Amino acid sequence: AQSVAQPEDQVNVAEGNPLTVKCTYSVSGNPYLFWYVQYPNRGLQFLLKYITGDNLVKGSYGFEAEFNKSQTSFHLKKPSALVSDSALYFCAVREKEYGNKLVFGAGTILRVKS
Amino acid sequence: DAGITQSPRYKITETGRQVTLMCHQTWSHSYMFWYRQDLGHGLRLIYYSAAADITDKGEVPDGYVVSRSKTENFPLTLESATRSQTSVYFCASSGGTGSGYTFGSGTRLTVV
Repeated sequence: AQSVAQPEDQVNVAEGNPLTVKCTYSVSGNPYLFWYVQYPNRGLQFLLKYITGDNLVKGSYGFEAEFNKSQTSFHLKKPSALVSDSALYFCAVREKEYGNKLVFGAGTILRVKS
Repeated sequence: DAGITQSPRYKITETGRQVTLMCHQTWSHSYMFWYRQDLGHGLRLIYYSAAADITDKGEVPDGYVVSRSKTENFPLTLESATRSQTSVYFCASSGGTGSGYTFGSGTRLTVV
């Protein structure tokens, strides 16, 4: 079965500094990987996905993620954090053998302080 | 309006009652999903559907029933609600391989 792990429950970063939210995956075959963001009392919003092609994927709100096959990682990054980036971030992988379901990590809370 | 909508937005029900959460999408996506979100567990899949009249269990299906008589609707029923089913429920849809997944705004269910 496919799975993803988010090793950090919370990440704290100062506004203007670069941020990284970590994700590692365990899949058979080529992974389809996703990042979603959830603001308080809201649904999940799509940030970006990796299916194939360039290892650096650019997404919404200035976020990007780097797919690293040798390290089985898909870390989310942003060069300069904003206070408004504070939210809950989920990494997910597609489980194609079971109805194309998404399997989620436990989530990482990002806190950006001014 | 185009999109995926869930209703109700909030629901309080008593233990033992039956309650149905509604999900409607306007894209004619083949795949639809129900997840529950609980602190410390992230999102866990309850049921999914690959097409109308095709449904299957996810990770935590016990106590839930789904149906999909029409492509656009995927209701989730709690047959006899328990306090452990207090959670936030999200519906999602996807067009399939390579497509993204779009989530509804969620239903916050409290079982008292």
